[in-house]
Amino acid sequence: GAGVSQSPRYKVTKRGQDVTLRCDPISSHATLYWYQQALGQGPEFLTYFNYEAQPDKSGLPSDRFSAERPEGSISTLTIQRTEQRDSAMYRCASSLRVTANTGELFFGEGSRLTVL
Amino acid sequence: AQSVTQLGSHVSVSEGALVLLRCNYSSSVPPYLFWYVQYPNQGLQLLLKYTTGATLVKGINGFEAEFKKSETSFHLTKPSAHMSDAAEYFCAVSQGAQKLVFGQGTRLTINP
Repeated sequence: GAGVSQSPRYKVTKRGQDVTLRCDPISSHATLYWYQQALGQGPEFLTYFNYEAQPDKSGLPSDRFSAERPEGSISTLTIQRTEQRDSAMYRCASSLRVTANTGELFFGEGSRLTVL
Repeated sequence: AQSVTQLGSHVSVSEGALVLLRCNYSSSVPPYLFWYVQYPNQGLQLLLKYTTGATLVKGINGFEAEFKKSETSFHLTKPSAHMSDAAEYFCAVSQGAQKLVFGQGTRLTINP
């Protein structure tokens, strides 16, 4: 697509439910990132993909969080047994190059998750 | 590990006045530094970046930033603020090959 698209834009769920967030990156971009942004804070790295490979998932807060990118394009972030502390904006970004050191990240508008 | 500190979570300036948003970083290796801007209901977009070479870098919309190694700073400036500059600004440092470490953000308000 022309830009990074995320869905849903807003999700309200009850504690204990599972949630899946979706990211559709820019079509020519090899690398896809997930960030979590709590209210009043900057984005924090969760994980990234180079095509379908997931070299680094060190930022995932617990084993309740998982991400996939099975065909190297669309990615999903799943949170199992949601907790109130999971409430945040989840941001997806993609980049053309395989390194973020000098490359530009293109961010989607984010998915705001509220856990009641 | 790298980290970023943005001084001032809120900055308010008058239209036409100088904008100065402060960013200090810590890094054990030569850093790559970035400023991103987030307008309301939009995603973050790159404003400017420093990788190597000239320490004064220019970005979009008249913004610029200067990398000062001795001060471990990368402050963002614009000589004359415009109402359309109202947004949240994030400083970031590259940590390793794939991660950006962001500061907590500074919300810029422009007074008419």
